[in-house]
Amino acid sequence: DIVMTQTPLSSPVTLGQTVSISCRSSQSLVYKDGNTYLSWLQQRPGQPPRLLIYSVSNRFSGVPDRFSGSGAGTDFTLKISRVEAEDVGVYYCVQNTQYPVTFGGGTKVEIK
Amino acid sequence: EVQLVESGGGLVQPRGSLRLSCAASGSTFNDHYMAWVRQAPGKGLEWVGLIRQKDKNYLTEYASSVRGRFFISRDDSTNSVFLQMNTLESEDTAVYYCARENVYQFFSMDAWGKGTTVTVSS
Repeated sequence: DIVMTQTPLSSPVTLGQTVSISCRSSQSLVYKDGNTYLSWLQQRPGQPPRLLIYSVSNRFSGVPDRFSGSGAGTDFTLKISRVEAEDVGVYYCVQNTQYPVTFGGGTKVEIK
Repeated sequence: EVQLVESGGGLVQPRGSLRLSCAASGSTFNDHYMAWVRQAPGKGLEWVGLIRQKDKNYLTEYASSVRGRFFISRDDSTNSVFLQMNTLESEDTAVYYCARENVYQFFSMDAWGKGTTVTVSS
């Protein structure tokens, strides 16, 4: 199975500042079709997960442009710029390049 | 906009069975894979499995932790997907979410239900 490792586990941030979350996979997420099946999800407290980013860097419909994804191969980053109070929650990377689908352990973003 | 609503959760004894349902709204249900993801209390997300669409022969995939005990099916005529859970263990206690894997969007999980809670306890 592909292991997804997220860092940091927790990220206290000041409103208006930027936070970066790293996600590393135990093997390349480039599929034989050349695509990379890496997404980022947000889970606000008491809510189900919500898709933010798909295929590394594509923002899902309705997601503010403060959220951006980057990376390639085994190293990926989610950046949240100009953090707002509504961004509090846990962020997960997830790969579906190979079954089983696997999630990172999550990064908790909280306001200082 | 697709909406997913899970049902069927509850309290079940160890080694018991339970069947979860997920009802989807929207006209493109048939096109997509449908997945189940669970979240144990205070823990992260764990993929349970998925079912492909008709033109992929409804083939399924499962996490090793549930393979042989859990079975996913779907009924495209009612826009529903099901999770049959057998021989339940305390480790299966979790909120179970159904999610759409959008085949037009790199199989990303772009829609989620609110979840249904399964508690396995005597």
